[in-house]
Amino acid sequence: SQQGEEDPQALSIQEGENATMNCSYKTSINNLQWYRQNSGRGLVHLILIRSNEREKHSGRLRVTLDTSKKSSSLLITASRAADTASYFCATDGMDSSYKLIFGSGTRLLVRP
Amino acid sequence: EAGVAQSPRYKIIEKRQSVAFWCNPISGHATLYWYQQILGQGPKLLIQFQNNGVVDDSQLPKDRFSAERLKGVDSTLKIQPAKLEDSAVYLCASSNRLAGIYNEQFFGPGTRLTVL
Repeated sequence: SQQGEEDPQALSIQEGENATMNCSYKTSINNLQWYRQNSGRGLVHLILIRSNEREKHSGRLRVTLDTSKKSSSLLITASRAADTASYFCATDGMDSSYKLIFGSGTRLLVRP
Repeated sequence: EAGVAQSPRYKIIEKRQSVAFWCNPISGHATLYWYQQILGQGPKLLIQFQNNGVVDDSQLPKDRFSAERLKGVDSTLKIQPAKLEDSAVYLCASSNRLAGIYNEQFFGPGTRLTVL
């Protein structure tokens, strides 16, 4: 079963706009990670946020984590056409052997 | 640093045939994962190896799927016999989790399997 569920399932924005994706999960976690997948490619790690962190930045990416609500958000600022991809959150649970459980993903389309 | 290598990239077979996928992880990565990704869904873990031992294979359909990592480096995933519902992308990933507790995984490009 998939732990993380992303919202929205699909998002279409204009280049230069910000994109926000949300992820909800069910059980306690060690950390939460976000990955990007371009069409026909493998996944690429974007950012990891630990359970004791609330916010983290990496370039144009901003991730927040609210463990009380079991949710996370990924914000991409000043989006570019090259950001078009599927984005997945993955949780590393406290009861798993470093097994990542992926959500169903958000498909982002950035229109030039 | 070379990434995770997988082959073949694409495979088309008929149902009830057999197929095998190969993965070469990043050098020095002790942990290797095989995922199945059905179109429109996130990756689902099939099996996790630590060196050449199996850590988790709870979601591997063992009646038809098998995997091995004999020397703790390369790995093969086999399906025998294939069913229509096995059509998916099979992703291999590796990590060096012994270097720390934060489990960033590195993915290969995947093998797209179509079962007719």
